[in-house]
Amino acid sequence: QAVLTQPSSLSASPGASASLTCTLRSGINVGTYRIYWYQQKPGSPPQYLLKYKSDSDKQQGSGVPSRFSGSKDDSANAGILLISGLQSEDEADYYCMIWHSSAWVFGGGTKLTVL
Amino acid sequence: QLQLQESGPGLVKPSETLSLTCTVSGGSISSSSYYWGWIRQSPGKGLEWIGTIYYSGSTYYNPSLKSRVTISVDTSENQFSLKLSSVTVADTAVYYCARHDRCSGGSCSFYGMDVWGQGTTVTVSS
Repeated sequence: QAVLTQPSSLSASPGASASLTCTLRSGINVGTYRIYWYQQKPGSPPQYLLKYKSDSDKQQGSGVPSRFSGSKDDSANAGILLISGLQSEDEADYYCMIWHSSAWVFGGGTKLTVL
Repeated sequence: QLQLQESGPGLVKPSETLSLTCTVSGGSISSSSYYWGWIRQSPGKGLEWIGTIYYSGSTYYNPSLKSRVTISVDTSENQFSLKLSSVTVADTAVYYCARHDRCSGGSCSFYGMDVWGQGTTVTVSS
């Protein structure tokens, strides 16, 4: 079982909100991890969006709009990237990442379609 | 504005050593506030962290690749480099260099990547 699991795809309408999940493998407690989120558009490198550990330990990437925010769902053992007020330019692949067992580990990514 | 640029051969033969260099501009690689890393992305394995170096030469390597990876730094040239030995077709990927933040919110640690290069495609083929 992968360390981080993300839904392969998600669709949402312009102006709506999208909640992208990053589920940690059973036995790995989301509460102890800082979760990073990246956005990647075709032909471009990943771009850092934000990191989130708690409401008191979080950071927005430089120039990243406030409509991108992070949180956690302890009951689901998952990190969440919430994108509000969806725009067509938000259509991209989104990856989560954590530091686990002496390595940076990425999720498989979610392809967000805005239609 | 910080920029990172990868360079190196786009084609490497199986069993040979892949060598790439990342040139940092708009900032000093000798800054105590950052680490410098390599990540690759292939259709089959997604994003995979390879390793990271501090300007002093301290390194962190992905345990799954550690036996084949060497990362070095040249502060006089503001560059850092990756060598991956005994490559196979499975090492075919887009290779990115990136900066890691070291200090955030008043504390210093080994944080994730915040600035990435554009990437370079490396194909392993005879």
